Amino acid sequence: NAGVTQTPKFRVLKTGQSMTLLCAQDMNHEYMYWYRQDPGMGLRLIHYSVGEGTTAKGEVPDGYNVSRLKKQNFLLGLESAAPSQTSVYFCASRTAGRSPFFGQGTRLTVV
Amino acid sequence: DAKTTQPPSMDCAEGRAANLPCNHSTISGNEYVYWYRQIHSQGPQYIIHGLKNNETNEMASLIITEDRKSSTLILPHATLRDTAVYYCIASSSGAGSYQLTFGKGTKLSVIP
Repeated sequence: NAGVTQTPKFRVLKTGQSMTLLCAQDMNHEYMYWYRQDPGMGLRLIHYSVGEGTTAKGEVPDGYNVSRLKKQNFLLGLESAAPSQTSVYFCASRTAGRSPFFGQGTRLTVV
Repeated sequence: DAKTTQPPSMDCAEGRAANLPCNHSTISGNEYVYWYRQIHSQGPQYIIHGLKNNETNEMASLIITEDRKSSTLILPHATLRDTAVYYCIASSSGAGSYQLTFGKGTKLSVIP
């Protein structure tokens, strides 16, 4: 089915470890986004991309890096995970003039 | 994106209409009003959006005031499956604005 797929769905990391979250969309969307959601909070934008090879900072970019080497993929990296990065991460994609589609989320726990 | 204000929580009896308000008094002329909902920490689900005219689809109706400073999402016959957090967002859909800024939303509880 067409949509936004996030990999992995769950992950537990130790403090200081690194990892990469993958977001893949098959709708040929130009724009892609990474959000995080903490308990009882709304979604906060980490980074976003308006096209292949371009990225920009959102509201809470510190501690994260992103890359968009291919149009269909948007990667979110944590170089040195911290307990404060324990959260649920959502990826979204959209095309101009249309509403975003969201993935089902990645639950990350940093211990 | 314009700031939006929503009540933190609301209850609605099953089978009745749920009316969820949203204030967006600083909305600009090119900003749409979007509504999303999130069930059990799943990914947000698009419901409806509009610019200035009222809109209706198979899920809900959106009523936007004439001055566009507020709007109401209407779920005509709420069911238990409509229990969720509902987010109202004001954002331009044009190429000049790429972000969608979420607030804390309204937690709607549909009661049997």
